[in-house]
Amino acid sequence: GDSVTQMEGPVTLSEEAFLTINCTYTATGYPSLFWYVQYPGEGLQLLLKATKADDKGSNKGFEATYRKETTSFHLEKGSVQVSDSAVYFCALSGTGGFKTIFGAGTRLFVKA
Amino acid sequence: DSGVTQTPKHLITATGQRVTLRCSPRSGDLSVYWYQQSLDQGLQFLIQYYNGEERAKGNILERFSAQQFPDLHSELNLSSLELGDSALYFCASTPGTPGTYEQYFGPGTRLTVT
Repeated sequence: GDSVTQMEGPVTLSEEAFLTINCTYTATGYPSLFWYVQYPGEGLQLLLKATKADDKGSNKGFEATYRKETTSFHLEKGSVQVSDSAVYFCALSGTGGFKTIFGAGTRLFVKA
Repeated sequence: DSGVTQTPKHLITATGQRVTLRCSPRSGDLSVYWYQQSLDQGLQFLIQYYNGEERAKGNILERFSAQQFPDLHSELNLSSLELGDSALYFCASTPGTPGTYEQYFGPGTRLTVT
């Protein structure tokens, strides 16, 4: 079945460091790919998405490119801030029905 | 604000009891999903409803049940509660139309079973 694998956390970075959170997927067909973010004490919210191969999703300085050849959707940000501390979830959907498959989540801590 | 509302925000109850969690989707969204998030942050899909009908089932225990009403709000019923049921329960909604897969999450209900 479809699945999403993302790097284990926690990831701890200093402010202004470069961030990469790896995400790979297994899916039949051509899924849409998502990154969701969960700030402390809140629900998940959509950070960015890409709906087809080679699409780049971007938002709030974060980027991820849909790579069909490597079945990956890695999240990157050039310079993280303390306010980016959160849990990040990679997800896929659209391969059958409306179910979304979430990765296990990666917790990011950014130190001042 | 996602437009999805959940009540109550917090719930503390004893083992063996039954509780009902409520979710109102975004205006116009037909599909509602329920998730359980444990302390180790993992998100478990429980069940999905579309326009009043059950559409997909995940890792939902037999002690749990849900329904979606004609006004599209949904309720998740948890019975014979155990300590291990303590978790955050999230509801999410989507329009339910093909090609619109992003989910909008509510703020969650924190359930503590003592």
